[in-house]
Amino acid sequence: EAQVTQNPRYLITVTGKKLTVTCSQNMNHEYMSWYRQDPGLGLRQIYYSMNVEVTDKGDVPEGYKVSRKEKRNFPLILESPSPNQTSLYFCASKSRSSEQYFGPGTRLTVT
Amino acid sequence: QKEVEQDPGPLSVPEGAIVSLNCTYSNSAFQYFMWYRQYSRKGPELLMYTYSSGNKEDGRFTAQVDKSSKYISLFIRDSQPSDSATYLCAMSGSSASKIIFGSGTRLSIRP
Repeated sequence: EAQVTQNPRYLITVTGKKLTVTCSQNMNHEYMSWYRQDPGLGLRQIYYSMNVEVTDKGDVPEGYKVSRKEKRNFPLILESPSPNQTSLYFCASKSRSSEQYFGPGTRLTVT
Repeated sequence: QKEVEQDPGPLSVPEGAIVSLNCTYSNSAFQYFMWYRQYSRKGPELLMYTYSSGNKEDGRFTAQVDKSSKYISLFIRDSQPSDSATYLCAMSGSSASKIIFGSGTRLSIRP
């Protein structure tokens, strides 16, 4: 089954404790993205990747890092999480000609 | 001013009604226009995808794009309670990786 998976689905952590949210897709897509979704603000792109070792900032990259060492994986790293990064995070992937497929979401709470 | 504006609702209509959802945008470079449906606690899923101006129909759903007015619409005919969800418009220019989302309209269909 074609899908985008994210882990963990729910995470509660404390300010400053480094965390990684994993994302994996099995569709051999070139493009992968991370979004955060906040009430009234919709989906905002954090980072995107056009292929292995090619990443670029989206609209709200501050406080986040990404890497794309393999085509299927695109982890999101928060080196020092802060409460304003409490949000619902979605990973997505697409090929140049396909629609964008979203993962199930990761709900992060930073206290 | 946001690049994409969407009324957040909530919008509540009786079952069987025709629903009209709309977005306006400011960037004339947008060429690809999408509507996503997002159920509670799920990732967005693509409903409609159109290129440039015109209409596209898929079952009970019709997407309209008016590039001259920078206005897009989604119509739902014979609405069903299962259509209750948040609907997000999205658009992009020539870059397949940069997609801008509206904030979403929460729709409720009353049985």
